[in-house]
Amino acid sequence: EPEVTQTPSHQVTQMGQEVILRCVPISNHLYFYWYRQILGQKVEFLVSFYNNEISEKSEIFDDQFSVERPDGSNFTLKIRSTKLEDSAMYFCASSSDTGELFFGEGSRLTVL
Amino acid sequence: GENVEQHPSTLSVQEGDSAVIKCTYSDSASNYFPWYKQELGKRPQLIIDIRSNVGEKKDQRIAVTLNKTAKHFSLHITETQPEDSAVYFCAASSSGSARQLTFGSGTQLTVLP
Repeated sequence: EPEVTQTPSHQVTQMGQEVILRCVPISNHLYFYWYRQILGQKVEFLVSFYNNEISEKSEIFDDQFSVERPDGSNFTLKIRSTKLEDSAMYFCASSSDTGELFFGEGSRLTVL
Repeated sequence: GENVEQHPSTLSVQEGDSAVIKCTYSDSASNYFPWYKQELGKRPQLIIDIRSNVGEKKDQRIAVTLNKTAKHFSLHITETQPEDSAVYFCAASSSGSARQLTFGSGTQLTVLP
């Protein structure tokens, strides 16, 4: 069964450092997403991406965040200058036209 | 924007009993309502979903009901088993194909053997 894959599974970084989280969506999917989940809390939408551009973003997705599809398979989330409150599990997801979201296993970001 | 409320936050049932989790949403334009199961440290996994043109959907021991007028939807798990223990999240989306999901706060279900 095809899966969304994410790397790294866990990243520890110092406050103020840049972080890039990587995702490989399911190959025939057209829509890509980043969600985050602070420990013990609900999953929150960050951004959706379609046709090589952002289609929607939430208030959380401020100027410190950016997304990119650098090639035909990868989808990345960059946090330019990490803050303590960025510590969370970041889930990549993808979907086809039918709309069901498939989530990756997540990348746990710890900001010290 | 959309707001999704979920109750209860914790639910304990005896093995074999039924469990019901309820959610309400605020945006009448929402048309897609998935339920996700998340085991500790794992990804959310879709267990069932319902679209606004349907009032009820069943898949073996799991069913979801939708009341568009009241703007609420519920997850029903019958004949619960210990492996059903997990956090369950409801979600709603008013988008078209792009799924900007708004999640509820989650329900920790514990099935006691």
